[in-house]
Amino acid sequence: AQTVTQSQPEMSVQEAETVTLSCTYDTSESNYYLFWYKQPPSRQMILVIRQEAYKQQNATENRFSVNFQKAAKSFSLKISDSQLGDTAMYFCAFMKGATSGTYKYIFGTGTRLKVLA
Amino acid sequence: GAGVSQSPRYKVAKRGQDVALRCDPISGHVSLFWYQQALGQGPEFLTYFQNEAQLDKSGLPSDRFFAERPEGSVSTLKIQRTQQEDSAVYLCASSWGLTDTQYFGPGTRLTVL
Repeated sequence: AQTVTQSQPEMSVQEAETVTLSCTYDTSESNYYLFWYKQPPSRQMILVIRQEAYKQQNATENRFSVNFQKAAKSFSLKISDSQLGDTAMYFCAFMKGATSGTYKYIFGTGTRLKVLA
Repeated sequence: GAGVSQSPRYKVAKRGQDVALRCDPISGHVSLFWYQQALGQGPEFLTYFQNEAQLDKSGLPSDRFFAERPEGSVSTLKIQRTQQEDSAVYLCASSWGLTDTQYFGPGTRLTVL
């Protein structure tokens, strides 16, 4: 069975600094997708970034980038130039490929990030 | 609509009551997911629809949980004979395709007394 582990329950970072959130996963699949979702306090969950396992290049979205290490089954999120609006719960998620016959997204337990002024 | 909407936003039920939670996905989205999120935890997958077909219900915790999407748009999650352990936030998400970006609704917070 697939598992997703986020080992940092809480983190804090000073405004304008860089922070890295860790995520590891376990799977025997070769085709899968990885995601980082953000859930601000009392607000809806939104996608931050996604990575297809078959792509070697790490995904980047503005200040957000990932370090995808397929062999190590690691998928960390780096937030550069942290802003107060980045304060949120961050969830790592895993999904097998569409041809796998399963449709189950697996989320980690989350990392609560607080950006300090 | 502009986004995924869910109703009611809050629901208090007495143990043993039946409840129905509604999800209005983004128009045209084929895929629809239901999740259960306990306090301080990540979302747990409940079920998945592709249009009106329920392709995966492996996450439903018991036969008291039932979901439908009869016309491939609005979906309802029904919980019969609610128990205290059913207390959680129930999230709905929709997307164009299975692995596309999921757009989440605000959730329904269910409290069973």
